[in-house]
This record gives sequence, C-alpha cells and structure tokens, in this order.
Amino acid sequence: LAKTTQPISMDSYEGQEVNITCSHNNIATNDYITWYQQFPSQGPRFIIQGYKTKVTNEVASLFIPADRKSSTLSLPRVSLSDTAVYYCLVGGIYNQGGKLIFGQGTELSVKP
Amino acid sequence: DTAVSQTPKYLVTQMGNDKSIKCEQNLGHDTMYWYKQDSKKFLKIMFSYNNKELIINETVPNRFSPKSPDKAHLNLHINSLELGDSAVYFCASSLRRADNEQFFGPGTRLTVL
Repeated sequence: LAKTTQPISMDSYEGQEVNITCSHNNIATNDYITWYQQFPSQGPRFIIQGYKTKVTNEVASLFIPADRKSSTLSLPRVSLSDTAVYYCLVGGIYNQGGKLIFGQGTELSVKP
Repeated sequence: DTAVSQTPKYLVTQMGNDKSIKCEQNLGHDTMYWYKQDSKKFLKIMFSYNNKELIINETVPNRFSPKSPDKAHLNLHINSLELGDSAVYFCASSLRRADNEQFFGPGTRLTVL
C-alpha cells in the first residue's frame, strides 16, 4: 500500500485559496488518490477522487501531475467552516476491497 | 433522514464490561465498515462486511466481534473492555465493496474507566 506524506498543519485566512500537497512516491498503477475532510467530533467526509490530471467538483479541485507521485488538493476561497483535518489516501479501487488507509492528515486552520 | 447512524453517541463503562455499538445505514449500500480513531486521531479500519459477509478482518483482538444481521446493519460487540479500547468508533458504508467513497457515521466515543 502506498504511503502518503502531507503537512501536519496549515494556516490560512478567509477568502484565500488553500493548496494542500500530498506525496505518494510509491503509488501503484491501479491506485487512485482520494481526499477526505473531517470536522471535530464528526466522521470523515469524502471530498474528491482522481487518477490523473485534474478533477474538479463543487467543493475542491485535485491536481495530479503526470508522474502521479504527488497530488494537490485546492480549496478555493476558504471560509472559517473549512477548518478541519484533510486526509490524503492512496489505494486501488478494485484490489483492496474498499480498505481505506488514513494517514495523519493535515490540520487546516482558517482564521478571520 | 440520517444516512449512517450509530448508537450510542457516547459510552462510558468500566473495565471488564461487555458493550455493543449499533450501526444502521439507509443508503441501500452493500458494504459496511468499522473504524477506530485513537487519541492521536489516527483512523484505522477494523472490519468490513459486504452483504452480510465478512471481507476485511484486520488485526483486532478477539474481544471485538462484528455482527451483520442484514446489509443495512453492522453492530460491534466488545467483550472484557480494556483501558486501551477507549477511542472513537466510526461506522461507514459504501455502495460497493470496492468503492473509495465511503459514508461515515457520527462516531461513538467509548471511554473505559
């Protein structure tokens, strides 16, 4: 299973764009990159998933370079309510039976 | 119309007791999971059931026993509780067994005294 490395914490201000980068040097060919968000006292929530290039949804964008050894979650114009822990996960959809491996996550603090 | 619900939300008990946590999902999903999140916030998968069949069984003490009476329910029974069992336990579900998009419940905070 590919190991992921992401910053332990990040600070930002309201209205800024936040980019959280995750390193996954030993990502396998079948692996997808998935990001989850967890608010205090709540369960994690799926944000976005991608395999290569760029994926965008109503919440975030995910940028994956050609070598796929890293990925960047981009949150546009953050607000105070985006303060949470963000987890980067790498794993195959079809060969792990849904076993998500969560790392330490990045604790994002958004200030007014 | 909660998607994944767990009961109880808080559980405080003495060492040596036996307790159960219940989970229900109304999403029509085939697969359900139990995760444990410790005080350092690390989230680890414990079990997974697909259509009532156990498909993931991580290295977890035998004192933990999951039971899935139907695909909408996955309960977790813990025997002889120990101090180290104190954690937040999350139930989750996904449409299929291979989905990385999982829907988590609100968690059950277990405190063993």
